[in-house]
Amino acid sequence: GAVVSQHPSRVICKSGTSVKIECRSLDFQATTMFWYRQFPKKSLMLMATSNEGSKATYEQGVEKDKFLINHASLTLSTLTVTSAHPEDSSFYICSARGQGAWVDEQYFGPGTRLTVT
Amino acid sequence: DAKTTQPPSMDCAEGRAANLPCNHSTISGNEYVYWYRQIHSQGPQYIIHGLKNNETNEMASLIITEDRKSSTLILPHATLRDTAVYYCIVRVVHTDKLIFGTGTRLQVFP
Repeated sequence: GAVVSQHPSRVICKSGTSVKIECRSLDFQATTMFWYRQFPKKSLMLMATSNEGSKATYEQGVEKDKFLINHASLTLSTLTVTSAHPEDSSFYICSARGQGAWVDEQYFGPGTRLTVT
Repeated sequence: DAKTTQPPSMDCAEGRAANLPCNHSTISGNEYVYWYRQIHSQGPQYIIHGLKNNETNEMASLIITEDRKSSTLILPHATLRDTAVYYCIVRVVHTDKLIFGTGTRLQVFP
């Protein structure tokens, strides 16, 4: 149990285009989902926290108009990188916190590698 | 900012116990200690967490000192597949955020 998926796993896009990344909790309902980014050989950096049906809370220094987050249901959150540029190239990882037995644990997706050319 | 400090790297022979230390000297009474690991180019994997008592599950054991200022993650019989970056994180009870530090890169060798 407690599986989180991400789609796509890899994406290459041209500078100036927008890219949407999906994060799904497959076998539990996620009251809260989180988005991280990770640069090569660096640690994960929390970007934002999203609760189902409400606006996301962004960490300091993260542009909310650049990284649009939607958490429309208890099993799906999306991150849209708008007008992507090469510096947005990174490994984006989502996680989900569940209800009930798994309420104290976050489960992570496999990540999405974004390359902007 | 991360509230934990870990050695940047460790080695362990396959089949031996891997003991990964973590210092969290500023931990508060309502903060849990969590351990995750990340294998190259994958999402982090939950390992174990605890508040003040030692914990054990099918993956590992967590030993927390009595003053709670440090802890040790123990992988009892390390395998090559345990090679990963291990993150020790403190989290306030009933809050959401996991703030990752730099972690320990564990290399298990044959």
